[in-house]
Amino acid sequence: AIQLTQSPSSLSASVGDRVTVTCRASQGISSALAWYQQKPGKAPKLLIYDASSLQSGVPSRFSGSGSGTDFTLTISSLQPEDFATYYCQQFNSYPYSFGQGTKLEIK
Amino acid sequence: EVQLVESGGVVVQPGGSLRLSCAASGFTFDDYTMQWVRQAPGKGLEWVSLISRDGGTAYYADSVKGRFTVSRDNSKNSLYLQMNSLRTEDTAFYYCAKGPAAILDWGQGTLVTVSS
Repeated sequence: AIQLTQSPSSLSASVGDRVTVTCRASQGISSALAWYQQKPGKAPKLLIYDASSLQSGVPSRFSGSGSGTDFTLTISSLQPEDFATYYCQQFNSYPYSFGQGTKLEIK
Repeated sequence: EVQLVESGGVVVQPGGSLRLSCAASGFTFDDYTMQWVRQAPGKGLEWVSLISRDGGTAYYADSVKGRFTVSRDNSKNSLYLQMNSLRTEDTAFYYCAKGPAAILDWGQGTLVTVSS
């Protein structure tokens, strides 16, 4: 099974900051990676699919990059509503898997 | 509008069984692969299972393989998860999700608590 390791596990940042979250796969997954945002008590929200494609309706300050084993989610200028937990997910091979999450907190 | 409504979550004893249901509407159900994802309270997301459009193919996480069975009834626009030999570590919110890969549409989740 493919394991996804996110770093950091938690991050403190301020409004306006540029933030990067990394997801590393234990083996190559091409571009079969998605990023989600989750707020307490809510289902996850899809931000990025196929590693770098922005889901319709998601602000352009979110971007994704990478292929193979190393991926990044970047938020170019943090907004108050962006403080949440972020997860990567691979769908290259079964069983699918998620990273352990990155909690983004207000500094 | 896509709607996915899970039901069936209850408190069950270790070793017990439970069947979750997901009622789908707002899209042509048999056109889509479906998934189950779970989340233990305060923990991260865990992928559980996927079933093909016709129900003929299914995949499972190693943690549930041999204990959980996913199925669907396309005539009823419904997805199911039969959970047997439940363990305390199966305690989680269980989400029904639409699609074969990245998940755009999620249900609101149903809570399964495994406790004596």
